[in-house]
Amino acid sequence: ETGVTQTPRHLVMGMTNKKSLKCEQHLGHNAMYWYKQSAKKPLELMFVYNFKEQTENNSVPSRFSPECPNSSHLFLHLHTLQPEDSALYLCASSQDLSGSSGNTIYFGEGSWLTVV
Amino acid sequence: QKEVEQNSGPLSVPEGAIASLNCTYSDRGSQSFFWYRQYSGKSPELIMSIYSNGDKEDGRFTAQLNKASQYVSLLIRDSQPSDSATYLCAVILNFGNEKLTFGTGTRLTIIP
Repeated sequence: ETGVTQTPRHLVMGMTNKKSLKCEQHLGHNAMYWYKQSAKKPLELMFVYNFKEQTENNSVPSRFSPECPNSSHLFLHLHTLQPEDSALYLCASSQDLSGSSGNTIYFGEGSWLTVV
Repeated sequence: QKEVEQNSGPLSVPEGAIASLNCTYSDRGSQSFFWYRQYSGKSPELIMSIYSNGDKEDGRFTAQLNKASQYVSLLIRDSQPSDSATYLCAVILNFGNEKLTFGTGTRLTIIP
């Protein structure tokens, strides 16, 4: 248990569906992230939020829409996805965005997404 | 050139031996380096961080950093079957926007 909770753990959706992934962190952190992990590829940073404000969109297609209502919650809204979007989506949090020592990034257990 | 590069393996090591995992990175100005362990079907968990040149030891794990050569390594002594996992190297690159960048990971198998 890392203090970062993701739901659902598994999701199967059709290409015309709309669904959302949810992330909640109980660590009092200010920064939250969405990462995508595909087979045989590095973890890809998708979005970064700091104090609820989006600070980075790593050229993610608009069919992925993040929402951060407060520092503890992060959503990833999904619509008209493609089969190649099937992957493990990991939420993470850290105290802040600095690269200073001690600012560790903690990951949730991930949401396995399959697009059919 | 990949920003963070690892040998994808698989790397097989006999139980009780030393497992050596290597990682190179492209940004000479990087200051923060991390090793994460990821079991199959699970999320990555941080096992070591290192910020200064030299060795940092934590139990059976030793991280080694050489900024001049731009590599960071992880040694696992007295390898156990429970160490079998994918090990991800991560670096905070300093291209004007600090972000944690991961390598593809090295799959390690400890053979009993």
